This record gives sequence, structure tokens and C-alpha cells, in this order.
Amino acid sequence: AAGVIQSPRHLIKEKRETATLKCYPIPRHDTVYWYQQGPGQDPQFLISFYEKMQSDKGSIPDRFSAQQFSDYHSELNMSSLELGDSALYFCASSARQGARLETQYFGPGTRLLVL
Amino acid sequence: AQKITQTQPGMFVQEKEAVTLDCTYDTSDQSYGLFWYKQPSSGEMIFLIYQGSYDEQNATEGRYSLNFQKARKSANLVISASQLGDSAMYFCAMREGLGNNNDMRFGAGTRLTVKP
Repeated sequence: AAGVIQSPRHLIKEKRETATLKCYPIPRHDTVYWYQQGPGQDPQFLISFYEKMQSDKGSIPDRFSAQQFSDYHSELNMSSLELGDSALYFCASSARQGARLETQYFGPGTRLLVL
Repeated sequence: AQKITQTQPGMFVQEKEAVTLDCTYDTSDQSYGLFWYKQPSSGEMIFLIYQGSYDEQNATEGRYSLNFQKARKSANLVISASQLGDSAMYFCAMREGLGNNNDMRFGAGTRLTVKP
């Protein structure tokens, strides 16, 4: 079965640079979520999109922005990178199931290292 | 306040034995969902099992089962017949409300090590 695709899988940047992470959800999934997982930490919710509109916002810094495109893929744009942005960034996707809380399926993650 | 509590930072289990990973949660919502994810050392986050707050029966998925005790607000994961490949970090997570509430909160995780 098709899974969530994230690219790149690994990324090395220097401080103050910008980075763009891409996420391709499972086919027919309409909701995309972004999470940040620091070393030894649990994942923290950043932002989500439903049908190309931002649906919820978590602890996403103002230096970050994201969008979902017409083909449902999503991009997380990160500017003025800081050392503390080094983390594993997950994208997850889900499909609306009416009244049932839908399961989020995670991609393999993008490991970002800021030097 | 911490919504999801996993009190076991690390657990050891002998191969072929069963193990229970604890998870308690805090919510005032009537409708919520509880999830368990497995994160191997390679880093990916693998969905294991889901329990809805209105589900009357405990969820089961192969060797995984969820011991859901609603009154105690606990959702422990039971892994039967442990295998070496089960060694990983396990996260309990919760989503509250329905539909548009997308925020999934994770516990701190439990690192399970299966001994041969």
C-alpha cells in the first residue's frame, strides 16, 4: 500500500539559511499534518491542512510557513534557521471518516541538521 | 498540563513473552481517540492500534491489543509473544473532539528492549 512520502530524507543547512520540506500524502487523504521531533523528545504538532486550507496551528514558529497545494501535497518552508531547529520533521496524512477520529499515518520523516 | 503520561521510560521483556506498556490520559472531552505508534531506531513512526472513546470493546490488531479502562483513563498497550523486532520506542497519543480538532498529543514514550 502507498505510504506518505517525504523529501528530502536528510538535509544539512547552516544557520540563517532556508529549507523547504515536501510531503506527499497517501492517495485520497485530504488532511496533512506537520510535526517536529527534537532529539529524545516526543513529536510536537506544528500545523495541519484540510482540503488545502489551514485547519489547525500548533507550536509552529513565525519563521516557518506551510501550505497545501491543489494535488494535496504540502510544503513546510523554514527560514532563518537556528541550531535549535535541528530535528526530525514528520508529515502525516489522514482521510475524513465522518464522526470517527481518523488515524494519522506518518511519513518516514526528514532529518534536518542545522550547523 | 501533561495530557498523556507514560510512566515507563524503559522496559525489558524476554523474547516470546508478553509485555504491557502503560499509558494514562487526561481529558474532559467525551469524544476522543487513543493511538499507539512504534518508532524503531530508523526513525519512522508506525501506527499500531486505535481505540475510540465510544468503542465498547478493546481494540486488537494481531499481536497488539489495547487494555482500555475508561473510568481510570488508561489505555495500556499489550504486546503478546514479543519478537526481537519489537525493540523500539513506543508512543501513546490522543486526539480530542471530532473532525476539525487536529492536535494530537504524544506521551514521552517508552523504550522497549526485547532480550533473546
